[in-house]
Amino acid sequence: KAGVTQTPRYLIKTRGQQVTLSCSPISGHRSVSWYQQTPGQGLQFLFEYFSETQRNKGNFPGRFSGRQFSNSRSEMNVSTLELGDSALYLCASSLVRDRGREQYFGPGTRLTVT
Amino acid sequence: QKEVEQNSGPLSVPEGAIASLNCTYSDRGSQSFFWYRQYSGKSPELIMSIYSNGDKEDGRFTAQLNKASQYVSLLIRDSQPSDSATYLCAVIEHAGGTSYGKLTFGQGTILTVHP
Repeated sequence: KAGVTQTPRYLIKTRGQQVTLSCSPISGHRSVSWYQQTPGQGLQFLFEYFSETQRNKGNFPGRFSGRQFSNSRSEMNVSTLELGDSALYLCASSLVRDRGREQYFGPGTRLTVT
Repeated sequence: QKEVEQNSGPLSVPEGAIASLNCTYSDRGSQSFFWYRQYSGKSPELIMSIYSNGDKEDGRFTAQLNKASQYVSLLIRDSQPSDSATYLCAVIEHAGGTSYGKLTFGQGTILTVHP
């Protein structure tokens, strides 16, 4: 079974631009969560989607948004990029949205903002 | 106060030794606990999950959970150089059903296994 896939793997953008990242979960997985990883802050939760609805959101500004499609694929968007948005963006999928379900991470998208 | 704290590293052990990684969490209502391994430049890889008090063994890995002490640990027996990585403790803090998809991570412990 194929793992979580993320595209693109690497991205370089300029301050003020916007970016869209894509995540395809493991086949059959319906919940997708997004995380930001930086050396200073570690891994931080961005949001979770299940059944095309955002179920939970972390402490990030409104510039960070996302959506989920009927096939469970998810996208996240960052508008008006700032230098501090440079990070590894990870998505993780899980089988169903119940307590304790294991999350499996994709390879991540490395975003560099210049 | 951090919600999930891991023992400060880096941790260095000789090949063949037992590596012990520790994690404490602040939310007493937490029910789900995970250990991830992350190699440099790679994404986190799930290696263990534990939900009940006690020990859970999987090959060379043993996870231990003590909810009364709000403590979870990972033991790696017969450590190998290939185990050298950052180990991340993660917790799902159950808050009325809204947090099931949110993992809260510790800052990670860097483990080095030297030959």
